[in-house]
Amino acid sequence: GESVGLHLPTLSVQEGDNSIINCAYSNSASDYFIWYKQESGKGPQFIIDIRSNMDKRQGQRVTVLLNKTVKHLSLQIAATQPGDSAVYFCAENIGPNDYKLSFGAGTTVTVRA
Amino acid sequence: DGGITQSPKYLFRKEGQNVTLSCEQNLNHDAMYWYRQDPGQGLRLIYYSQIVNDFQKGDIAEGYSVSREKKESFPLTVTSAQKNPTAFYLCASSIDSDRDRGLLSNQPQHFGDGTRLSIL
Repeated sequence: GESVGLHLPTLSVQEGDNSIINCAYSNSASDYFIWYKQESGKGPQFIIDIRSNMDKRQGQRVTVLLNKTVKHLSLQIAATQPGDSAVYFCAENIGPNDYKLSFGAGTTVTVRA
Repeated sequence: DGGITQSPKYLFRKEGQNVTLSCEQNLNHDAMYWYRQDPGQGLRLIYYSQIVNDFQKGDIAEGYSVSREKKESFPLTVTSAQKNPTAFYLCASSIDSDRDRGLLSNQPQHFGDGTRLSIL
């Protein structure tokens, strides 16, 4: 089957550095992608989304890049802070009338002081 | 504040017992979802509902049941047929068709803070 996957299960980052979290997807029909942040014992929190007609979208301290040619999605966090320590998930959706999301396994980000 | 409320936060099930997890939202969302999360893993879809009085099985529906009698509520019952129920259960909602009427675009799902179910 088709799935969303992540390149690295863990990422350790020095406070103040930039973080890059990667995600590979295999469903070429996917046209909507979301990044979520999940802190321990809580539900996933929406960070940023991007549609397939875009290749870059910026939010506050975060940037999502989409490369449809190689089916790759990344989340960049600028000036990583201790509060950014969490598990990050990418999710994909295959079409406007299908509300289901497929989630990757997640990347655990640990920020070193 | 608008949001999704899941209760209880912790739940214990005895052998042979059915338990029901509550999920309520006041976001005026049409679609609601239930996911299961096991340690170190992503989210797997159990059931979802795109409109009141209608719902569909997700990837792992066996041993679970749902109802959608009201727009705001989407309770999940973990039945005795689910032999490995210990997990973190997450409810989500999306799509405000009143606000987005005519827009065939996806919207992000918003999550509650989960119910952790364990076996006694």
